[in-house]
Amino acid sequence: EPEVTQTPSHQVTQMGQEVILRCVPISNHLYFYWYRQILGQKVEFLVSFYNNEISEKSEIFDDQFSVERPDGSNFTLKIRSTKLEDSAMYFCASSSDSNQPQHFGDGTRLSIL
Amino acid sequence: EDQVTQSPEALRLQEGESSSLNCSYTVSGLRGLFWYRQDPGKGPEFLFTLYSAGEEKEKERLKATLTKKESFLHITAPKPEDSATYLCARSRGGSEKLVFGKGTKLTVNP
Repeated sequence: EPEVTQTPSHQVTQMGQEVILRCVPISNHLYFYWYRQILGQKVEFLVSFYNNEISEKSEIFDDQFSVERPDGSNFTLKIRSTKLEDSAMYFCASSSDSNQPQHFGDGTRLSIL
Repeated sequence: EDQVTQSPEALRLQEGESSSLNCSYTVSGLRGLFWYRQDPGKGPEFLFTLYSAGEEKEKERLKATLTKKESFLHITAPKPEDSATYLCARSRGGSEKLVFGKGTKLTVNP
């Protein structure tokens, strides 16, 4: 069964450094998403991406964050200057249509020191 | 404010002991109500989508139902492998984002 894959599974970074989280969505999907889950808290929406542009973003997704689909398969989330509070599990998801279920990867655990 | 509230936070069952998990939402313009399963260290795994009140979906020992204000996930004769956190999420018209509840952590003892 097709799945969303994320790399790395765990990323440890010094505060203030840039980090790029990578995702390969399901191949025929057109809608891409990033969510995060701080330990013990709810899964929170960050951003949705369709047709090579951001279609919706949350208030969490400030100027420190950016997303890109650099080629036909990858979808990336960049955090420009990481803060301690960015430590969380980051999930990528994709769907074939905005009305179809979103399918999630297993996440990247981001630890900021 | 859009809210999704799940109860109970945690539930312990004996193998074979049926029960239900609740998800209530406080938003108009519901487009879809989603149930996911999340195992420790993993991403949410899609289970069901419900779109309108009265709709029901089934998969093995799980059945999801939807009313105008809440959804239930019924677990019939659970097995230890059903142990996981079950997440409820909703979407609304004009938005692609999912709003999640905190989840119900289900433990099924053999």
